[in-house]
Amino acid sequence: NAGVTQTPKFQVLKTGQSMTLQCAQDMNHEYMSWYRQDPGMGLRLIHYSVGAGITDQGEVPNGYNVSRSTTEDFPLRLLSAAPSQTSVYFCASSLGPNTEAFFGQGTRLTVV
Amino acid sequence: KQEVTQIPAALSVPEGENLVLNCSFTDSAIYNLQWFRQDPGKGLTSLLLIQSSQREQTSGRLNASLDKSSGRSTLYIAASQPGDSATYLCAVKNSGYALNFGKGTSLLVTP
Repeated sequence: NAGVTQTPKFQVLKTGQSMTLQCAQDMNHEYMSWYRQDPGMGLRLIHYSVGAGITDQGEVPNGYNVSRSTTEDFPLRLLSAAPSQTSVYFCASSLGPNTEAFFGQGTRLTVV
Repeated sequence: KQEVTQIPAALSVPEGENLVLNCSFTDSAIYNLQWFRQDPGKGLTSLLLIQSSQREQTSGRLNASLDKSSGRSTLYIAASQPGDSATYLCAVKNSGYALNFGKGTSLLVTP
């Protein structure tokens, strides 16, 4: 089982560029989410999805878009990258709202 | 808003010691609590999940307890090994979707 797979592992962007962080899971989990991890701030929820076609905002959604066209994939789009979006991004999935959450290996993003 | 605190922020112990990591939370109306391990530059690995109706969970040398009424959880690691060196994160699930994370305890086990 691959679990939760994130690509790329590292990315450097220039301010204003756009990009998509990919997340895929092979566990047939309905719930998927994106977190960012910043020093001294812990992990914070960006967006989440409770099933294909259903997404909602988390604590820090500004500057990010998501969509969920399949159960397996949940990409995160940065519309116009800013230095404040320099962070480590983690994708997570779970079978249901109160079940064990599984995380990917992360994408380390630097915006210059 | 749920606040999750982990004490201590860092801990160094010699190999073989038993140790306890602490997690406290302000809102006791939780659904579950999950302990994770994070190695440097890596993702989060789930260690134990405790549902709100449970008092403890065990996996190998790890034992996690939950006292919902006092807003506390502990992660007990028996017979620590250098391979246990990592950051340990506690995450609490209330209503809604978000996991509320503490800032972690950085553990170093020295040979």
